[in-house]
Amino acid sequence: EPEVTQTPSHQVTQMGQEVILRCVPISNHLYFYWYRQILGQKVEFLVSFYNNEISEKSEIFDDQFSVERPDGSNFTLKIRSTKLEDSAMYFCASSRTSGIFTGELFFGEGSRLTVL
Amino acid sequence: GIQVEQSPPDLILQEGANSTLRCNFSDSVNNLQWFHQNPWGQLINLFYIPSGTKQNGRLSATTVATERYSLLYISSSQTTDSGVYFCAVFGSGNTGKLIFGQGTTLQVKP
Repeated sequence: EPEVTQTPSHQVTQMGQEVILRCVPISNHLYFYWYRQILGQKVEFLVSFYNNEISEKSEIFDDQFSVERPDGSNFTLKIRSTKLEDSAMYFCASSRTSGIFTGELFFGEGSRLTVL
Repeated sequence: GIQVEQSPPDLILQEGANSTLRCNFSDSVNNLQWFHQNPWGQLINLFYIPSGTKQNGRLSATTVATERYSLLYISSSQTTDSGVYFCAVFGSGNTGKLIFGQGTTLQVKP
């Protein structure tokens, strides 16, 4: 069964360092997303991406965050200068459709980021 | 924006018991999903259920969109059912932004 894969599963970094989280969405999906979950809290939307551009972003997704689809398979989230409060589980998701026909989102296993 | 409320926040069951988890949402939605977050943090898709009833083994779900709620039923619970159950909805017309509830934490005791 097709699945969304994420790497790394866990990354520890020093405050101020750049981090790149990688995702391989399901191959025939067109819409890609990043969500995050701070420990013990609910899952929050960060950004959606379609046709090589951001469709929607939350207020959390400020200038230190960026997303990219560098090739036909990978989808990355970059955090330019990490802060302690960026420590969270980051989930990548993909779907075949969106908008008013929003289809089912499939989530990866998550990348746990710990900022020291 | 849309508010999603789940109840109960915590639930403890003995193995073999049945349970019902509820998700209320404050506005009309295009779609709704139920997830199980296991102890390792992974989000497992349970149901994609904008309306109607679906069943998958011991789990079933019902969404009554006109009354703005969804129910997740777990029958004959097992210890592996432990974890957090999230309901998430898409607002009408949006571009795929899922709004998650706070979750129901389920502990099934042997």
